[in-house]
Amino acid sequence: QVQLVQSGAEVKKPGASVKVSCKASGYTFIYFTMHWVRQAPGQGPEWMGRINPNTGDTNYAQKFQGRVTMTRDTSISTAYMEVSRLGSDDTAVYYCARGKPTGYLDYWGQGTLVTVSS
Amino acid sequence: QSALTQPASVSGSPGQSITISCTGTSSDIGGYKYVSWHQQHPGKAPKLMIYDVSNRPSGVSDRFSGSKSGNTASLTISGLQAEDEADYYCSSYTSSTTLVFGGGTKVTVL
Repeated sequence: QVQLVQSGAEVKKPGASVKVSCKASGYTFIYFTMHWVRQAPGQGPEWMGRINPNTGDTNYAQKFQGRVTMTRDTSISTAYMEVSRLGSDDTAVYYCARGKPTGYLDYWGQGTLVTVSS
Repeated sequence: QSALTQPASVSGSPGQSITISCTGTSSDIGGYKYVSWHQQHPGKAPKLMIYDVSNRPSGVSDRFSGSKSGNTASLTISGLQAEDEADYYCSSYTSSTTLVFGGGTKVTVL
């Protein structure tokens, strides 16, 4: 069965960076895009971007361009998402999710809580 | 890209039907047949309930149905059950090749 397992919770200081991993299993990793979505406390989901694991091509939401980097390691079926210059408004649960060709997200990771606090 | 617009809350009694609306623009909902809906229980990851406007993934109850008219998509839950109490989010593909989500609707079963 398809599973996306994310790395554990992180606590960071303002101005620091955080890198979250997402290990995929149960399907061929390079066949589907991987998306990253975050959800601040009490808020709706916010799409951050996607990576094509086959080519490494990325597409970021305008809001995150220049501050977010998505990468992958196909040898271990793992996607990564790094956010730099963290601020308190980056405190959120970060999810990876498998993307289908028409854009919908069919499987989600369990989420990684990132807390930014001085 | 602005978030899609959903009502903050919708409620209904067990057995009733409820409908959640999701309003966007011609650059997202109105321009594509690529609207999806997710259910989220507290502390859990979102779960896909509807994709491509009206399709249900395997394992999702047929009490859930989706539709679209112009720039507005809708999710209908028929035969409301206690387990349906959750937050529901719509999302759409956009002309910028991005995804956009709605702000969410809290469904309460009275």
